[in-house]
Amino acid sequence: ELKVEQNPLFLSMQEGKNYTIYCNYSTTSDRLYWYRQDPGKSLESLFVLLSNGAVKQEGRLMASLDTKARLSTLHITAAVHDLSATYFCAVDRTGTASKLTFGTGTRLQVTL
Amino acid sequence: GAVVSQHPSWVICKSGTSVKIECRSLDFQATTMFWYRQFPKQSLMLMATSNEGSKATYEQGVEKDKFLINHASLTLSTLTVTSAHPEDSSFYICSASRGRVEYNEQFFGPGTRLTVL
Repeated sequence: ELKVEQNPLFLSMQEGKNYTIYCNYSTTSDRLYWYRQDPGKSLESLFVLLSNGAVKQEGRLMASLDTKARLSTLHITAAVHDLSATYFCAVDRTGTASKLTFGTGTRLQVTL
Repeated sequence: GAVVSQHPSWVICKSGTSVKIECRSLDFQATTMFWYRQFPKQSLMLMATSNEGSKATYEQGVEKDKFLINHASLTLSTLTVTSAHPEDSSFYICSASRGRVEYNEQFFGPGTRLTVL
């Protein structure tokens, strides 16, 4: 059974600081997704990582994928309050019609 | 492009009644649609996967007779919660995939919040 774990589960950080969220998964997969969820809302797609070594950046967020280590990271640079949200990684269960297994989620709170 | 809608956005019902939630892909044909539920402060759990014209595939532990899924067309899937009880109260989110060759990215609907009294 594929398991996806994120850490930390909760992160409080000051504006301007950097931090990294980690996503570990238990079985082989070549596709990993990062999503953002605001309270009471659905998911917003942030990144799609399709191969080992993939790195993508959008604004203050950068995601990377190491399929050999079964690890993805979401790095936040110079955080701003608007980044406060819950972030989920999700792993494509290979060979299962693209079913996703979601991580536990990381609730990010950026304080002024 | 790739917009998915859900209706209703929220619903309150009495225990024992049935509730239908619609999921539509507005600007693309969805080869596959997925239904998730999310309890407060928890992650998304896949309930079932549906393909147009065929029976849905339910995840282990999901009661197929309680959560009826109908995928009537390439743009519409419905989830009916039958004989709802308070423990069914949750945030239900659908997603749709258009089956691209390189990867089957899912596009998520805005969610439906169900409260069963």
